[in-house]
Amino acid sequence: GAGVSQSPSNKVTEKGKDVELRCDPISGHTALYWYRQSLGQGLEFLIYFQGNSAPDKSGLPSDRFSAERTGGSVSTLTIQRTQQEDSAVYLCASSLEDRGGVDTQYFGPGTRLLVL
Amino acid sequence: AQSVTQLDSQVPVFEEAPVELRCNYSSSVSVYLFWYVQYPNQGLQLLLKYLSGSTLVESINGFEAEFKKSETSFHLTKPSAHMSDAAEYFCVLIPGYSSASKIIFGSGTRLSIRP
Repeated sequence: GAGVSQSPSNKVTEKGKDVELRCDPISGHTALYWYRQSLGQGLEFLIYFQGNSAPDKSGLPSDRFSAERTGGSVSTLTIQRTQQEDSAVYLCASSLEDRGGVDTQYFGPGTRLLVL
Repeated sequence: AQSVTQLDSQVPVFEEAPVELRCNYSSSVSVYLFWYVQYPNQGLQLLLKYLSGSTLVESINGFEAEFKKSETSFHLTKPSAHMSDAAEYFCVLIPGYSSASKIIFGSGTRLSIRP
């Protein structure tokens, strides 16, 4: 596809369960970013990848959150033992290069996560 | 530490009226500034950005923003609103010469257009 895709588009889970969110970036984009948008709040940076490496993981809210990227393409954000406060829209974006984040980021449609 | 403040959570305007969406920032270092827009049921997309050079930057659909260092502002304006401009707009800051992990999004301003 031409744009960034994310799956699933919606996910409802029970508290304590693990979830995996997937992001397919634009082909050829070396940088990939994950954000979280909670109700009534702005976007919160979580983590970014340059290739398969994540230079800075300090944005992840807790050790229940992890992310990986393989083959310089698909990325997976995993939330273990989900809590109700994890409910949010998780957005993925990609850019051609890293360049400190100033390259235009192309966003996916997001995954809306609801933890019951 | 850096911060971005969007002073209005909602801005209603009449069609063909001028638009101003306000953004102020705080930073002790140089900054890169962006406006991203999210149309209903669509993903976020870049509207315009200021990296260096001319302090007045324009988008393809008539919006412009001026970087005013003395006022620490980067307000988004358009002389005449169109119904298709209805969306949520985010002001974004990245500290100069830093990591992508330092990106800061404002809380967003929802622009609504009345006929």
